[in-house]
Amino acid sequence: NAGVMQNPRHLVRRRGQEARLRCSPVKGHSHVYWYRQLPEEGLKFMVYLQKENIIDESGMPKERFSAEFPKEGPSILRIQQVVRGDSAAYFCASSSTGTGLEKLFFGSGTQLSVL
Amino acid sequence: GNSVTQMEGPVTLSEEAFLTINCTYTATGYPSLFWYVQYPGEGLQLLLKATKADDKGSNKGFEATYRKETTSFHLEKGSVQVSDSAVYFCALSENGAGSYQLTFGKGTKLSVIP
Repeated sequence: NAGVMQNPRHLVRRRGQEARLRCSPVKGHSHVYWYRQLPEEGLKFMVYLQKENIIDESGMPKERFSAEFPKEGPSILRIQQVVRGDSAAYFCASSSTGTGLEKLFFGSGTQLSVL
Repeated sequence: GNSVTQMEGPVTLSEEAFLTINCTYTATGYPSLFWYVQYPGEGLQLLLKATKADDKGSNKGFEATYRKETTSFHLEKGSVQVSDSAVYFCALSENGAGSYQLTFGKGTKLSVIP
């Protein structure tokens, strides 16, 4: 299966710890998007990255959150000093171009639980 | 800002029953509309889409019509199967710049029983 791979599937952290979520896009895809689904809400756009560049981070909280998509390796969403309100499902998607949403592939998500 | 409202779940139906999942939207422009499906343990997959008013998207027996006058994009299927059990998400995106940003509803969980 050459789909979008996210790991871990479930991540438990205590308040104040760091969370690192990984996303390996479909092979050959250079565009990655992160979405967050808070409890009882729809998925919300966080950030759009293209290899080594952040294209749009308008949906990212200003503090504690960062994302990268290096030349080699997976995209990483990093949350520092997690708080209970960060508990959510985090979805990654990838595409071969920046447009044409019918070509967008999603991973199955990482469920982050902050104790 | 943009928003999508879809009917609360969970929805439980018997096999071969008729399915409707309501979806309405608020958008500043003329968005494209989508239905995504998430089967257990898998990522979201595009089910169907419509890009302008009165367009009908269809796939796997599912249909949805873009109704600009009622700002709706209701999902329907005439006869559901157990394999249709999944979470269904309605979504929109603005056309043009920023079109990669999807705005999703909360999702509706469908369970189909034999």
